[in-house]
This record gives sequence, C-alpha cells and structure tokens, in this order.
Amino acid sequence: QQQVKQSPQSLIVQKGGISIINCAYENTAFDYFPWYQQFPGKGPALLIAIRPDVSEKKEGRFTISFNKSAKQFSLHIMDSQPGDSATYFCAATEGSTLGRLYFGRGTQLTVWP
Amino acid sequence: GAGVSQSPRYKVAKRGQDVALRCDPISGHVSLFWYQQALGQGPEFLTYFQNEAQLDKSGLPSDRFFAERPEGSVSTLKIQRTQQEDSAVYLCASSLVGDQPQHFGDGTRLSIL
Repeated sequence: QQQVKQSPQSLIVQKGGISIINCAYENTAFDYFPWYQQFPGKGPALLIAIRPDVSEKKEGRFTISFNKSAKQFSLHIMDSQPGDSATYFCAATEGSTLGRLYFGRGTQLTVWP
Repeated sequence: GAGVSQSPRYKVAKRGQDVALRCDPISGHVSLFWYQQALGQGPEFLTYFQNEAQLDKSGLPSDRFFAERPEGSVSTLKIQRTQQEDSAVYLCASSLVGDQPQHFGDGTRLSIL
C-alpha cells in the first residue's frame, strides 16, 4: 500500500513555465515532508522540505505548498529550466519511525528549451 | 569526498550467488538507511541503523537479506541466494541523527541474470 501518492507520473513543461507536482498522504502522524530530485545514475538529492506547522516554504525557484486538512502537498518550480529535467520524489516521515522515508513513485519532469 | 560512497557501482551476479554491497556514510553521521529502488519507482525502505544497532529491519523483503554495521560507520548489505526479483538499485543514506535530512549515495545497480 502506497503511503504517499504522487502525480503526475510524467510532466512536460516549456522553458520558463511553472512545473507543479502533487502528493497526498493518509497517515496523519507524518510530520516531515521532503522533496528529492534525482538525475539518471545518481542518488536522490534533497531539494526542499516542510513541516506541517507552515503552509508554504520557498527556496529560490522552488516552493512547497502544504494543506494539512486535505493531507496534500505540492512542489512548484517557477521559471522551469532544461537543467531541472529530472525525476522528482515527494516523501514523508514521522518521528516514531526514526526517520524512515516513505516515497512517492516519482514524477519525470522534462523541460523543453 | 564528503558524500555517501557506495561500492560497487554496478554488480552483475548469477541467480543463486551471494552478493555484498558496501556503504561508507558521511563521517560522523549516526543514522544509516538502506533503500531499494526498482526501475521507475521510488525508493523503498529496507533497514535502519543508529550507530552499530540495527533498530528497524522491517523493510527487508526476506531472510535472504542481511545488513550489518559492526563499528557504527561502514555498512554492508548482503543478499544470499540472489533471485531475479532482487535486481534493483540499492541506495544508502546517512544523517546526523534519525530525524535530520538524509544524504544519499549514488547507489549500487544490481542485476541478477
């Protein structure tokens, strides 16, 4: 059973556009929600993360929006660039599981120049 | 380098052979995680160490999988009597403590023929 559901599976965006990836969860004990970026042949790299006490976090062109009541969170990539083309994973964890991450299935983002 | 190092990067084995995968975490990181990533999927948790203690092995798919971290730094994931379904990328991650951001290595791609 997938603890974190991610959509879309793939996304094509034009350079300069906004990329939006959505995730949903059921476990209300989750208290930390990171996003990872993965390039082919590389391990996931932490991009940005949020805790449920805030509704939005922004770092450069990357923004996480968090809706606690709906149990949903999303990643927005502003001014998308070809170098952003990668697979993005949302994840969640709770303190009682000592940091074990539950990942979504990933979104393959392609940004066309 | 200062990142998580995994070796070998690629491993090909015949069905039924035993394999050993190595992870060198970031120096000083207490927590160490192993994940399995099937093609086109998100990483799935296998096991977690805090120093040398294996605190959670609930994700290990069968008793053919065994992990150790005898001195609290380097870890080895061993798979006995490999099966074709074991083919995947095995990722190691470390963090200062369990609830801190996890830093991933680039993984070992295991192919079972």
